[in-house]
Amino acid sequence: SQKIEQNSEALNIQEGKTATLTCNYTNYSPAYLQWYRQDPGRGPVFLLLIRENEKEKRKERLKVTFDTTLKQSLFHITASQPADSATYLCALGGGSYIPTFGRGTSLIVHP
Amino acid sequence: NAGVTQTPKFQVLKTGQSMTLQCAQDMNHNSMYWYRQDPGMGLRLIYYSASEGTTDKGEVPNGYNVSRLNKREFSLRLESAAPSQTSVYFCASSELNRGQETQYFGPGTRLLVL
Repeated sequence: SQKIEQNSEALNIQEGKTATLTCNYTNYSPAYLQWYRQDPGRGPVFLLLIRENEKEKRKERLKVTFDTTLKQSLFHITASQPADSATYLCALGGGSYIPTFGRGTSLIVHP
Repeated sequence: NAGVTQTPKFQVLKTGQSMTLQCAQDMNHNSMYWYRQDPGMGLRLIYYSASEGTTDKGEVPNGYNVSRLNKREFSLRLESAAPSQTSVYFCASSELNRGQETQYFGPGTRLLVL
């Protein structure tokens, strides 16, 4: 069965450092992968989408990589700020797939 | 531009009671979705509607029914609530565009079933 894995342990980093979150998947051939941000008590908010034929995508301080051989995506936040503290979800989709979400990783940026 | 709205925000039910969660979007999107989110479980798809007039089951449809009332509105009904349905429910919408199913989520409905 399809499986999406995100680190269930919270990632704690110091302000100004680069945060790197991981999304691994198995039994899946997604056409694209998305990253969402979710703040406590709120719905997820879309951040970035990367397609299977793209290696890397950037948006301001955010960078996403997508390795279909390793079946892995890395999500980077450079120069992290306390305001970046949230849960980050990856979602895979494409073709006939409704996007399927991972469980999310909590990021805590300490001042 | 309100995006996706959900009502109610909070609800407490007793086992066996019924209720309908309402969702509306003003982005003229074709597709709408209902998810539930439980601690440690992530978002799980209950039902979705790819376009007006169609609905399909997702990963966890048991105990729920849906109605795509029109292009804007997609409701989720619990006919006989059970404690296992205590959860946070999110509605989402997207433009049906193969290759770019970016979803826009509502603020959620927090449901407690006693």
